[in-house]
Amino acid sequence: NAGVTQTPKFQVLKTGQSMTLQCAQDMNHNSMYWYRQDPGMGLRLIYYSASEGTTDKGEVPNGYNVSRLNKREFSLRLESAAPSQTSVYFCASSFEGGQNQPQHFGDGTRLSIL
Amino acid sequence: AQTVTQSQPEMSVQEAETVTLSCTYDTSESDYYLFWYKQPPSRQMILVIRQEAYKQQNATENRFSVNFQKAAKSFSLKISDSQLGDAAMYFCAYRGVGAQKLVFGQGTRLTINP
Repeated sequence: NAGVTQTPKFQVLKTGQSMTLQCAQDMNHNSMYWYRQDPGMGLRLIYYSASEGTTDKGEVPNGYNVSRLNKREFSLRLESAAPSQTSVYFCASSFEGGQNQPQHFGDGTRLSIL
Repeated sequence: AQTVTQSQPEMSVQEAETVTLSCTYDTSESDYYLFWYKQPPSRQMILVIRQEAYKQQNATENRFSVNFQKAAKSFSLKISDSQLGDAAMYFCAYRGVGAQKLVFGQGTRLTINP
């Protein structure tokens, strides 16, 4: 009963380094999302994927790229990390079929950029 | 663009008492969905309760209930018989019909005093 699994849980990077955050879900959901959580600002959507093979920008996409590798996996890449990208990153998934299905979240990745 | 506002950064309540967390939102849409998520120190985002805007009846899940006032664009969460395990950050979230993303409020940190 894994749900949404994110790796790693913690990571420290130096400015300019690259990093890929991994996310996998085992609920056969078609939609997947990446959010970042900063103090006092709630969660903000970075990118989402409505179905395998499609990705779209969210509210704060600059500095990030994503890949929907298959139906299960959705990765987030930082090509050149900046201190402003220090945050907690959450992956989520949901089944979108015209109904009000909730998003299920992973446990988050705490990323620090020095 | 839709916005969600939680005006109470922190709340505290005595164990076994009742507490109400406030949430207001701004939208021009007539149909949408509203959610409350709980985030304990473990960081996991857990769905507490959800409400469809077209439903007049307020949603209830055990000790959790909402007061949905559509005209006032208000969606408060009431927790009855508060328990120590209710201590967490609580986020209010909005989603438009057909929209992919959730729009989150800033969160309210709830402390339960024994």
